[in-house]
Amino acid sequence: DTAVSQTPKYLVTQMGNDKSIKCEQNLGHDTMYWYKQDSKKFLKIMFSYNNKELIINETVPNRFSPKSPDKAHLNLHINSLELGDSAVYFCASLPQRGARETQYFGPGTRLLVL
Amino acid sequence: AQSVTQLDSQVPVFEEAPVELRCNYSSSVSVYLFWYVQYPNQGLQLLLKYLSGSTLVKSINGFEAEFNKSQTSFHLRKPSVHISDTAEYFCAVSDKSFQKLVFGTGTRLLVSP
Repeated sequence: DTAVSQTPKYLVTQMGNDKSIKCEQNLGHDTMYWYKQDSKKFLKIMFSYNNKELIINETVPNRFSPKSPDKAHLNLHINSLELGDSAVYFCASLPQRGARETQYFGPGTRLLVL
Repeated sequence: AQSVTQLDSQVPVFEEAPVELRCNYSSSVSVYLFWYVQYPNQGLQLLLKYLSGSTLVKSINGFEAEFNKSQTSFHLRKPSVHISDTAEYFCAVSDKSFQKLVFGTGTRLLVSP
C-alpha cells in the first residue's frame, strides 16, 4: 500500500502549457506539503495545507496554485509553464501540525518543460 | 527562520572506511533535526531523526547522528561504508509548529571499491 502517492510520475510538456500534479495520502494525516527540488538538487518548500487550509505559502510565483479538495489530497496546478519550472516536485504529509512526528514523502513527479 | 549548512558538497570514500557528513544549523527556536537519503533517480527516504530525548540517534543500516546543541550540529557518521551507501544525503531542520522542512544543499557520498 502506497502511503503518499503522486501522479504522474513523469511529465514532459511545452512552455506555456498548464498542467496539474496530484498527491494523495492514505494515512489519515492532517497536514500536507509541496516541495520543489531543482536541477542542483536543492529542496525548498512551496506550500502547506492543514485540514484543507493553506498555512504556508512561500515566495512562489502566482502561476502555481495549490488546491486541497479534502485533507487526503493536495494538488498543484501550474499555469503558463516556463523552462525554469523543470524540477522534481515532492508531496509530503504529516499526522498533524505540531506533532512530534516526521513527514512522509511521495515518490516525486519529474517535470520537464521544453 | 531556520537555515542549514552542509559544507561538503561531495565526499569520496573507499568501501569499508569510516565517513562523517557534516551538518550545522541556525535557528532562533528549538527545532527537530533530520537526515534524508536520496538514491539516484529516487525519492527521499528518512534516515534518522532527532525529535527529543537521547542526543545520539541511530538507523538500522549503521548510520548514526548526534545532536549537539552548543555547536548547533547534527553530523552523520558511519564506521564502515558500503558501495550501496552511494547517494545524496540531505540534512534538514523544522520548527516545531508549522514543521516546514528547511534542507541543506546536500552532500553526495561516493563510495568506491
